[in-house]
Amino acid sequence: DGGITQSPKYLFRKEGQNVTLSCEQNLNHDAMYWYRQDPGQGLRLIYYSQIVNDFQKGDIAEGYSVSREKKESFPLTVTSAQKNPTAFYLCASRTGGSNEQFFGPGTRLTVL
Amino acid sequence: AQSVSQHNHHVILSEAASLELGCNYSYGGTVNLFWYVQYPGQHLQLLLKYFSGDPLVKGIKGFEAEFIKSKFSFNLRKPSVQWSDTAEYFCAVNAGGSARQLTFGSGTQLTVLP
Repeated sequence: DGGITQSPKYLFRKEGQNVTLSCEQNLNHDAMYWYRQDPGQGLRLIYYSQIVNDFQKGDIAEGYSVSREKKESFPLTVTSAQKNPTAFYLCASRTGGSNEQFFGPGTRLTVL
Repeated sequence: AQSVSQHNHHVILSEAASLELGCNYSYGGTVNLFWYVQYPGQHLQLLLKYFSGDPLVKGIKGFEAEFIKSKFSFNLRKPSVQWSDTAEYFCAVNAGGSARQLTFGSGTQLTVLP
């Protein structure tokens, strides 16, 4: 069953702790993206990666970090430097020749 | 930088009413345009897309959108909504570049009353 999986679905963390969100895809897509969704603000791009071992900052990268060691995996770390981390995080992927992105189910992060 | 505006933040309709959701973008060059839908508790999924050709595009579930280049608009329409259309709708633009990033609008929450 091809698709994008994100885990966990819900995540709670204490303020000041780093947390890593998982994103895995078995679609053999080259590009992967992380977005943050807040009510009334749509989706905003955090980081993206077009190939393994390469990634670029998006519009709101401050306080986040990523890695792309494998084609199928693109984990996002929310660091303690992120001032307002509570949000819904969406991962997406895209095959090389297409403009269409496919989305995972998302992780809702709540920082207490 | 490109931007996308969705002016309707929350739309409430009765079943069988017609729907039109506005989407305007700011970019003067060639664009690819998308409408995504997020049903309650489900993945964000593609409703329809425009790359080139006929500016009237048809998507899933009876939705269509018209690209009007002179107005920088890509409005979403459906002649008769159903209760199951209750969802959040996002317009997105890709303005080229190798990364093919999407810029999203702020979304429109559609509530259809039975």
